[in-house]
Amino acid sequence: KQEVTQIPAALSVPEGENLVLNCSFTDSAIYNLQWFRQDPGKGLTSLLLIQSSQREQTSGRLNASLDKSSGRSTLYIAASQPGDSATYLCAVGGLNRDDKIIFGKGTRLHILP
Amino acid sequence: EAGVAQSPRYKIIEKRQSVAFWCNPISGHATLYWYQQILGQGPKLLIQFQNNGVVDDSQLPKDRFSAERLKGVDSTLKIQPAKLEDSAVYLCASSLGFGAGGQETQYFGPGTRLLVL
Repeated sequence: KQEVTQIPAALSVPEGENLVLNCSFTDSAIYNLQWFRQDPGKGLTSLLLIQSSQREQTSGRLNASLDKSSGRSTLYIAASQPGDSATYLCAVGGLNRDDKIIFGKGTRLHILP
Repeated sequence: EAGVAQSPRYKIIEKRQSVAFWCNPISGHATLYWYQQILGQGPKLLIQFQNNGVVDDSQLPKDRFSAERLKGVDSTLKIQPAKLEDSAVYLCASSLGFGAGGQETQYFGPGTRLLVL
């Protein structure tokens, strides 16, 4: 059974710093991995999606990497801004047709102005 | 392109009462998902529809929860009777195709925040 873990649960960093969020998963047989952003009282917004055959994806100041063999993904945020404050969730999609997307509990990020 | 719409945004009820949530997916999306997100947790899939057929409801507490997607467009999720532990955000999502839930890009609505007293 796939399990997704995100550490730390919460993180505060000063504005302008680069930071890394971590995600680990127990079963390396995945179809893809996604990073989502969730603002308070809002739904989820997909940030980056990495297919299992890819090593990384980039969008603006965000870079997500995937190491399937070790069951790890990182989300790198460059030059953090107060507007980056949100909860970041990673989610793993399975290979089989009846596999559900499995979410981690998220990392609550606070960027200090 | 309009996003996924959900209503109401907030609902407060007492235990043992009934409640219903509504979702309108992105136009043309074949697959619709309902998730339950308890505070401090990631979303958990309750039910997945493809058009108006149920693909996966293995995690739906069927003794109290029901959902339908008539005509393959809008969907409603109902809880009857509600329990304290049902307090959560109920998220609706949709995706374009017929792929497995973990393989399609899903677009989420803003959610309905339910508080059961």
